[in-house]
Amino acid sequence: NAGVTQTPKFQVLKTGQSMTLQCAQDMNHEYMSWYRQDPGMGLRLIHYSVGAGITDQGEVPNGYNVSRSTTEDFPLRLLSAAPSQTSVYFCASSRDPSYEQYFGPGTRLTVT
Amino acid sequence: AQTVTQSQPEMSVQEAETVTLSCTYDTSESNYYLFWYKQPPSRQMILVIRQEAYKQQNATENRFSVNFQKAAKSFSLKISDSQLGDTAMYFCAFNSNTGNQFYFGTGTSLTVIP
Repeated sequence: NAGVTQTPKFQVLKTGQSMTLQCAQDMNHEYMSWYRQDPGMGLRLIHYSVGAGITDQGEVPNGYNVSRSTTEDFPLRLLSAAPSQTSVYFCASSRDPSYEQYFGPGTRLTVT
Repeated sequence: AQTVTQSQPEMSVQEAETVTLSCTYDTSESNYYLFWYKQPPSRQMILVIRQEAYKQQNATENRFSVNFQKAAKSFSLKISDSQLGDTAMYFCAFNSNTGNQFYFGTGTSLTVIP
């Protein structure tokens, strides 16, 4: 099993550009989520999904979109990048949020 | 909203000694789940230990154990016989039985000194 994979590992964007962070899992988990990690702030939930076709907002959803067309994939879209979105992004999956979440390796995004 | 507080931004411990990391949380729920995650310099998040709130017994995993005080809403992590590989950022996290959101604390950076 590959577990949770994320691409790319690093990305530099200019303000106003758009991009999609990819996330995939091969564990047949229903629950998937996206977090951003900023120094001194821990991990904050951006969006989550409890199954294909179902998504919901987390703590910091503004500026981000998600969709879940399959159980395996949960991409995160930045529509118009801003410097405030410079962060490390983690995707995670679990069979249920009350169980262990398996994290991807993270994407370091810099917006200039 | 639930909140998770880690009041120790940085800690250090001598190799082979014991260290305790603090975590408090705020919730009105009666049943919930608490976690400690470790993030070494590699950046990979790794589950250390999980506690179900309705279980009185404190969870243990080898050298890692928790002191879960439900009335005080406290969930501390004790690391015994600290090893150099324990050097990492440690995050306390919370999920309620009725919600789909996961809440993390701000983390404690632990350094094990040889």
